Amino acid sequence: DAGVTQSPTHLIKTRGQQVTLRCSPKSGHDTVSWYQQALGQGPQFIFQYYEEEERQRGNFPDRFSGHQFPNYSSELNVNALLLGDSALYLCASSLGTTGNTEAFFGQGTRLTVV
Amino acid sequence: GDSVTQMEGPVTLSEEAFLTINCTYTATGYPSLFWYVQYPGEGLQLLLKATKADDKGSNKGFEATYRKETTSFHLEKGSVQVSDSAVYFCALSDRTRMDSSYKLIFGSGTRLLVRP
Repeated sequence: DAGVTQSPTHLIKTRGQQVTLRCSPKSGHDTVSWYQQALGQGPQFIFQYYEEEERQRGNFPDRFSGHQFPNYSSELNVNALLLGDSALYLCASSLGTTGNTEAFFGQGTRLTVV
Repeated sequence: GDSVTQMEGPVTLSEEAFLTINCTYTATGYPSLFWYVQYPGEGLQLLLKATKADDKGSNKGFEATYRKETTSFHLEKGSVQVSDSAVYFCALSDRTRMDSSYKLIFGSGTRLLVRP
């Protein structure tokens, strides 16, 4: 079982550019959530996808968008990058949307905006 | 809104010392509570959880008890090892509306450094 896999592991982008991050959930999981973790901070919830729909969204601007595919994998897109978007982006997968099932996290994508 | 507050780090201990990391929460509903651990360069791993008041979560020598009366979920370990050095996050999972899904709300993390 490969667990949750994210790609790429690191990338550097220029202010104003667009970026796409990818996540493959743990085998058997159907729900994907994305979190942003700024340096020295706890992860902040961006949004959650289930059945290819955005089910809940955190306090992030519309520049942040996502998608879930029929195989449950997911993408996070960020447009018009700002320096403040530099962070570790974590993907978590779980089974269903109830709060009592364990969320498994990937190792994250480290995004640096210059 | 819901929130989690953790004691600030870093916490520096000698091997075999007793560990306590304080965590308190604010929630409108009846959340589940979690402790996650993040080792350098890695993602988050679930350490333990508790889903209702007075439940005790435990794993790898770590324990935490869900205290509804004090809205706390303090992490403890009787004898820490160098390998326990990591960042520890307290989190809650709650649902704001009946038709919405659950999300995790994290504290800011507490770095633990254990010296030999």
